[in-house]
Formats: sequence, C-alpha cells, structure tokens
Amino acid sequence: TQLLEQSPQFLSIQEGENLTVYCNSSSVFSSLQWYRQEPGEGPVLLVTVVTGGEVKKLKRLTFQFGDARKDSSLHITAAQPGDTGLYLCGSSNTGKLIFGQGTTLQVKP
Amino acid sequence: NAGVTQTPKFQVLKTGQSMTLQCAQDMNHNSMYWYRQDPGMGLRLIYYSASEGTTDKGEVPNGYNVSRLNKREFSLRLESAAPSQTSVYFCASSEAGREAWGYTFGSGTRLTVV
Repeated sequence: TQLLEQSPQFLSIQEGENLTVYCNSSSVFSSLQWYRQEPGEGPVLLVTVVTGGEVKKLKRLTFQFGDARKDSSLHITAAQPGDTGLYLCGSSNTGKLIFGQGTTLQVKP
Repeated sequence: NAGVTQTPKFQVLKTGQSMTLQCAQDMNHNSMYWYRQDPGMGLRLIYYSASEGTTDKGEVPNGYNVSRLNKREFSLRLESAAPSQTSVYFCASSEAGREAWGYTFGSGTRLTVV
C-alpha cells in the first residue's frame, strides 16, 4: 500500500514569508496532485504533476515533482493571509486517490 | 453551478441510530467516492464506485454501506452509528481513467455521534 508522508504538519508564518511543503513516498507516483482545502469546504485541485522533474507555477505557488517521481514539493513565495488553509497531496496509482495527512498553513497579517 | 452536492451539511446522531448521507454529481462522471476526514489523518477512502452498478471497499469500510443508485447518485449509510464515526464526510467524483485530471469534492457532511 502506498503511503504519502507530508511535512510539516503545521506551519504558522507571517505575511510575506516564503514556505515549502513536502510530500514523500517510498513508492513511485504515476502522478501527484496538490489540493487546498478551506475551512468548511471540500478540497480543491491546485495542480497535477505527471513527469519526473516537472515544475509548474500557479501565480506565487511553485510545484515540483522529483526526478524519481517519489517526492513533490509546494513552494509559496511571499505568503498572504488568503493562502491560509489545509494543503493536501494525493496520488492515484491504483485509480483511487489516497492522501497525505495534510499541512495546515496559517499566514498571519 | 456544476459540481458535487452533499446532504445534509450537519447531523447529530445518538449511538445506535442509522442514517444515510446523500451525494449527487452533475458532471456525468463515472467514478464516485466517499472519504472521511479526521484531524491529523488527512482523507481516508471509505468506499468507491468505479461505475454505475459497482462498488468496492476502500481503506476504512467497516460500519458503512454504500449504494450507487444511478450514475449521478452515491449514498453512504451508517446502520448503527458509533462515536468513532464522528467525522467530516466528503463525497467526490472523477472521470474514469482520468483521475489525474483531479477529483471534484462536495462541501462535506459534519457528523457527530453522541
């Protein structure tokens, strides 16, 4: 069974700081997705990475997929209070999406 | 707006009571899923349905049953609720074979069992 490990679990930073969230597995990912979840809502897809070494940018968010496709990172530049939420990585090697434990991000004004 | 609709949004049950959580999607997706979310544990798959007429167990199926009523609807039933089933439940859907395109989630049902 593939397990996804996310770190850190909690992150509290000041507005304007940079941060990185990691997602790791002992198995190879066929693809990996990052979701953001706001309080009281379901997760919303941010990005899917498929190719080893791939880098995708979404405004201030940069997503990297490791060359061996066993790890991924999410980097946020100049975090804003609106970035506050739960960030989840997910992978669906078996056609069913499994998730890491999530990283709770709090950005203080 | 197109998407996944879950009802009810909130529910309190007494131990031993039964209830059904409803989920409907209007995106013509083949695959549907039920997850539960508990603090520090991310989302764990309860049951899924790859297509109309089929259902399979996920990671944590004990204490639950599901019905794929038609292509649009996928319900989750708790026959005899237990306090350990206090959680937030999410329904999701995806296009079969296109899981990399992402899942669409509902806004959740917050269930408390006392």
